Amino acid sequence: DTAVSQTPKYLVTQMGNDKSIKCEQNLGHDTMYWYKQDSKKFLKIMFSYNNKELIINETVPNRFSPKSPDKAHLNLHINSLELGDSAVYFCASSPSGSNTGELFFGEGSRLTVL
Amino acid sequence: GNSVTQMEGPVTLSEEAFLTINCTYTATGYPSLFWYVQYPGEGLQLLLKATKADDKGSNKGFEATYRKETTSFHLEKGSVQVSDSAVYFCALTNFGNEKLTFGTGTRLTIIP
Repeated sequence: DTAVSQTPKYLVTQMGNDKSIKCEQNLGHDTMYWYKQDSKKFLKIMFSYNNKELIINETVPNRFSPKSPDKAHLNLHINSLELGDSAVYFCASSPSGSNTGELFFGEGSRLTVL
Repeated sequence: GNSVTQMEGPVTLSEEAFLTINCTYTATGYPSLFWYVQYPGEGLQLLLKATKADDKGSNKGFEATYRKETTSFHLEKGSVQVSDSAVYFCALTNFGNEKLTFGTGTRLTIIP
């Protein structure tokens, strides 16, 4: 069983479209994250949710809207896609209040905007 | 704010060579330090960590020592294998997992 799973794995779409990426974790963790990895492999946090509540929003354009229906799911919806949104998006999870630094990552969703 | 600086890649080595990937950091207080590894087509996974000065983290033959005096956490391995080919990320946090800061990653390729 995959601990953190994301769908879709690949997404190719046109500028201006709206798309969603889904994430689910079966580890029982309370905290989930979205990270963006650009073409140079630079990894930056976008959002963090703890028990369905937003705790980090790192100055991400409001075209990006995360939604957490329950603590095992964190979805990412992107409106009006732009070329610069092309990247690999990683979902991750960790136990709440942990300071171990150990995040569990999904395999990533590669988004290509044409 | 916190930041992590890694040596620019890519790094290409022959099998059984000695590996060093440099990492230095800027942070307030006493951060915990980490190395993550990303194998091709996979998500990142924690490789090793150190939570206080002079601690040495180790796993799968890799080691890194937390050096507060030089604010460094260099990754080393005595004899690399083809299966070590991956992207390696240095990271730190001093405010819990929610504030993990990553370096830009170093791509390592090992040739037989």
